[in-house]
Amino acid sequence: QSVLTQPPSASGTPGQRVTISCSGSSSNIGSNSVKWYHQVAGAAPKLLIYSDSQRPSGVPDRFSGSKSGTSASLAISGLQSEDESDYYCEAWDDSLNGSVFGTGTKVTVL
Amino acid sequence: QLQLQESGSGLVKPSQTLSLTCDVSGASISSGGFSWSWVRLPPGKGLEWVGYIYPSGRTYYSPSLRSRILMSVDRSKNQLSLRLTSVTAADTALYFCARVNQVMGRALDVWGQGTTVTVSS
Repeated sequence: QSVLTQPPSASGTPGQRVTISCSGSSSNIGSNSVKWYHQVAGAAPKLLIYSDSQRPSGVPDRFSGSKSGTSASLAISGLQSEDESDYYCEAWDDSLNGSVFGTGTKVTVL
Repeated sequence: QLQLQESGSGLVKPSQTLSLTCDVSGASISSGGFSWSWVRLPPGKGLEWVGYIYPSGRTYYSPSLRSRILMSVDRSKNQLSLRLTSVTAADTALYFCARVNQVMGRALDVWGQGTTVTVSS
């Protein structure tokens, strides 16, 4: 059972803005950087956000990350059909002395 | 360009040992600023962090797997290895290796395509 909680699903129409939350604790999000990945079924995950809010080169600026206290969020603006996939947050947990992924959120483009 | 390729035992019997390797090409496994990770995706479930290994050999393992897991690096082959003993059906998953970028806050920035492991008699 993951220590990072995400909503199981989120949806929007093309062009809309969708936000995904990731709730943790002081031992993980509260004291370590958050990463976000997306994964299309059966394919390798892809890094979207690192260090809470930084985008790797090649990731569109439609994707943005933020963090406040023990929670983090990923926002997707200008939603596109190709954004339909599963999204995961990740953070190191000092209590577990290991990393943890969030429970995952399936984004559907209506 | 860095590429990772997983391979290994696709079908493992319960109680036996799962063995996987990850071939790293396009960069040295000992490159500064990077370590390596295994992540798995059980069918119908979410991503699960398995562990990290630094080029020095230092390891961090998932608490739930710590008693059964061994990760190692072979610098001569530029390869990672994962061994998981006493497997059960719960270990059935798509297993990925990935590069851990220390500068990016230990983000997993390059991934292999994954290899499927099924535990069944």
